[in-house]
Formats: sequence, C-alpha cells, structure tokens
Amino acid sequence: KQEVTQIPAALSVPEGENLVLNCSFTDSAIYNLQWFRQDPGKGLTSLLLIQSSQREQTSGRLNASLDKSSGRSTLYIAASQPGDSATYLCAVRGSEKLVFGKGTKLTVNP
Amino acid sequence: DAGITQSPRHKVTETGTPVTLRCHQTENHRYMYWYRQDPGHGLRLIHYSYGVKDTDKGEVSDGYSVSRSKTEDFLLTLESATSSQTSVYFCAISGAGLARNEQFFGPGTRLTVL
Repeated sequence: KQEVTQIPAALSVPEGENLVLNCSFTDSAIYNLQWFRQDPGKGLTSLLLIQSSQREQTSGRLNASLDKSSGRSTLYIAASQPGDSATYLCAVRGSEKLVFGKGTKLTVNP
Repeated sequence: DAGITQSPRHKVTETGTPVTLRCHQTENHRYMYWYRQDPGHGLRLIHYSYGVKDTDKGEVSDGYSVSRSKTEDFLLTLESATSSQTSVYFCAISGAGLARNEQFFGPGTRLTVL
C-alpha cells in the first residue's frame, strides 16, 4: 500500500528565504506526482505536476523535482513571501487514485 | 480556476438523517472524485467516477453512495449520517488521457453531524 510522508509537518521562515519542502513515498511504481497548495478554509490549488518520466518541473518561483528510484520529491520555493504561507500537499498517482501526504504547513514571516 | 462548484458549502445535520452533496463541473471532464479531509488523516478518497453511471469505491467508501447521471454532476449521499462523517468534503475532476493526470479541486463542503 502506497504511503506518502511529508516532513516537516510545519515550517516557519523569514521572508526572502529559499526553502525546500520534502515528500517521500514508499512505492516507486507511480505515474506522476502532484504538488498542491491549500489556504485555510479553501480547496486545493494545483501547483505542479511531474510525470514519472520527468525529473523536474518549474513554475515561476517554484521548482519540483522527482526521484522515483529513491521515492522522493522536493518542492523548492525561491525568495519566499508572506503570501506563500499555506499548507503544501504532495500526492502520488499509482493507478486510478491519488494518495496524499498530510502536508507541510508553511509560515513566511514578514 | 477549473469550473467546479460544490453545494451546499456548509451543512449542519443530525445523526440518522440522509444528506446529499453535489459537485458540478463545467469542464466536461470524464473523471470525478469525492474526498474527505480530516485532521490527522489528510485527504482520503471516498468514491470516484470514470464516466456517466460508472463509479467505483475508494479507500473510505463505507456509509457513502454516489451517482452520476450526467457528465457535469456527481452526487455524494450519506444514507444515514453519523458523527464520524463530520468532515470537509472535496470534489475533484480530471480529464482523459494525459490530462487525466492532473486533478483540480472544488472549494469544499463543511459538514457537521450532531
């Protein structure tokens, strides 16, 4: 059974810092991995999707990498801003279904 | 934003009453999903649909049923609500082929069962 772990559960950084969020999964037989952002009381917003054949994807200040063989993905956020404060979730697709991690709650302090 | 709406957005009900949540999409996507989100458990799949009248169970399907009579609507029914079904419910959609890989989420329905 696929398990997805995100460490740390919470992270607090000063504005302007570059940071890395981690996601690990137990079964490397995945089709893709998706990173989401969730603001309090809101739905999930898709940030980046990495297909299993890809190593990384970039969108603006965000860069996500995927290492299937080691069961790891990272989300790199450059020059963090207070507006980046949210919970970040990763999810892997093995077949029909996404399996989610429990998220990392990020706080960026002005 | 993907065209996904959920109704109602908030609901309080009593144990033993039936409840139906609605998900509506304007994207004409083939796949639709229902998740629940709970502290300590994260997001868990309840049911999903891969076409009109085609549905399958997810990880936590007991106590829930679904129906999809039109491409744009996916209904989640709690036949007899229990306090353990107090949660935030999210609908998601994805397309076919490679577009199927990316899921887009609705705003959620907060359900409280007293």
